Order: sequence, then C-alpha cells, then structure tokens
Amino acid sequence: ETGVTQTPRHLVMGMTNKKSLKCEQHLGHNAMYWYKQSAKKPLELMFVYSLEERVENNSVPSRFSPECPNSSHLFLHLHTLQPEDSALYLCASSQDMGNSYNEQFFGPGTRLTVL
Amino acid sequence: RKEVEQDPGPFNVPEGATVAFNCTYSNSASQSFFWYRQDCRKEPKLLMSVYSSGNEDGRFTAQLNRASQYISLLIRDSKLSDSATYLCAVNMGGAGAQKLVFGQGTRLTINP
Repeated sequence: ETGVTQTPRHLVMGMTNKKSLKCEQHLGHNAMYWYKQSAKKPLELMFVYSLEERVENNSVPSRFSPECPNSSHLFLHLHTLQPEDSALYLCASSQDMGNSYNEQFFGPGTRLTVL
Repeated sequence: RKEVEQDPGPFNVPEGATVAFNCTYSNSASQSFFWYRQDCRKEPKLLMSVYSSGNEDGRFTAQLNRASQYISLLIRDSKLSDSATYLCAVNMGGAGAQKLVFGQGTRLTINP
C-alpha cells in the first residue's frame, strides 16, 4: 500500500466555493509535489516543495494555492475554480538526497469536479 | 514540439508477445529518466528508472539513447497483468527535488 494518502478522494464544488485538498506522506520524505491529470493530457507538474520551501511553481493560476506546513503535509487550496479545472489531482513525495534518480511515490489522488 | 512524446496507442498484443515502446524528449540537458505504470483509476507507480547503460528487471528492459534523445521499454513474454498505461517521465531539474515532465502515456492491453 502507498505511504501517501490524500483526502478527500472525490470532491464536487461550485465555481464560487473554496475547498482544500490534503496530502500526507508517511515515508519520511522531504520533497512533495502536486500534479494535475486531465483526460487525454499528460500528467502535469504544478508545484514542488523541498524541505518545506516551494521550489517550483509551474505557471499555475493563482486560484490554486499550495501550502506545506511541514515535511509530511501538503495542501492545495482551491477558490474560484473553472469547469476546466476538473481533473484528478495527485500528490507525490520523494526523498531529496541530491540524486536525480529519487523515486516519487504517488497518492491515490482526489477526483475533482467543478460545476 | 512537446517536451516528452509517446505513442498513445492503444497497443493490443497477445499474451506471450514482446512489445516495445519509445519515448522522445526535447531537452538534451535532461538528467534522469523513468518508466511509470498506471492502472485504470489508480495512481502511477514507478516501474523502472532508465540508466545510461540500460537496465533490465526480469521481463522488462529499459534503454536510453542520449544522442537521439529517446528512451525505450521492452516487455518480453507479456502477461495479462501487464495491461496498463505506461508513462515515460523525464527529470528536467537537477539533483534533489525533481521536476518531472511526463509523456501522454501508452495504453497496453494484453489479450488472452
């Protein structure tokens, strides 16, 4: 079983709602990631955190706001989303050891539908 | 040109066949390379890292060709359980926290 958990697993929200996705890793890793997976599109990297510092924001709209309070938890705060934001949001973690071959472990994802 | 390109398939092959996928990447400075497997409605899981010298794990062989900027995955003696989507991933960052760019994925179905 994966050591990365995500809640909720499914979320339906209106365009004016504010919601948050939560990710927790139990692997002792120090890097965490948010990805978006839409139908018929490649998995897209959104944000990268290393040692709780954001090191990458992959041109993501400001209606997505990440938060990493500690090395085990990662949040994605959502507000004023659009229907095209409906997708599977995946969290991942890895151990940053100064090695470019660190394995990323993915959580099961949150299936988001924006109405 | 897309940063990472894969043939989306689908590939339908009989059980026991050998199947090969290629994946091309555009950034010659890419540091590391991976094949992930994703089952339907599941998260991606690492299948193999792809090293410069090539590497083999049982029925799976991964190769890297830096000159032509592609990686390949060969599956021998395919099993029904190999049916999945195979994603190639290229690390566009350096060492440390990765910046993975994924291909679209190649869907494989093994038929009895």
